[in-house]
Amino acid sequence: DAGVIQSPRHEVTEMGQEVTLRCKPISGHNSLFWYRQTMMRGLELLIYFNNNVPIDDSGMPEDRFSAKMPNASFSTLKIQPSEPRDSAVYFCASSSGGSWNYGYTFGSGTRLTVV
Amino acid sequence: KNEVEQSPQNLTAQEGEFITINCSYSVGISALHWLQQHPGGGIVSLFMLSSGKKKHGRLIATINIQEKHSSLHITASHPRDSAVYICAVSPTNTGNQFYFGTGTSLTVIP
Repeated sequence: DAGVIQSPRHEVTEMGQEVTLRCKPISGHNSLFWYRQTMMRGLELLIYFNNNVPIDDSGMPEDRFSAKMPNASFSTLKIQPSEPRDSAVYFCASSSGGSWNYGYTFGSGTRLTVV
Repeated sequence: KNEVEQSPQNLTAQEGEFITINCSYSVGISALHWLQQHPGGGIVSLFMLSSGKKKHGRLIATINIQEKHSSLHITASHPRDSAVYICAVSPTNTGNQFYFGTGTSLTVIP
């Protein structure tokens, strides 16, 4: 298995532009998580899907952020419009159970820089 | 207030030294995880603990539920162990609200 696949690995964009991050979970995993990592705040859970349905989006910072999971093999995290404070590494992770306790695999992350 | 506190924040060791990283938490948990993040790299889950002790190669993780404390030990440290180690907890009765420590940056010098 190729693991959790995220794209792009790096993204540099100008303030105000739309940014779309992509994630392909491990086949058979039914839970998908989006995280943001910054030096100041460490790792933060943004949103969690179970069986393609968003279960908890309380970590999504504001309306500029949205996430979708149209099918079991693909999810997107969109920021529109982007701001410099959105610069961070965004991680996607998947697991085979309904919570973080059932086998957990992170993607390699997308490093986003908004200038 | 952080629900998860790690110490030390930064740690430099000579190759071969025994290393301990500590994690204290203030909430009831169903599990505690130790994660490893290499510079510029992804995150790897090292251990998931709900009680006692686990060992994998040179890595040992322990947890004391009563004291709300966990330690990650590295025996015979090696430069390739240089990474950030993150403690994270799954609180009970909160669905998927996970709390993370800010990480311990370890540098092992040859």
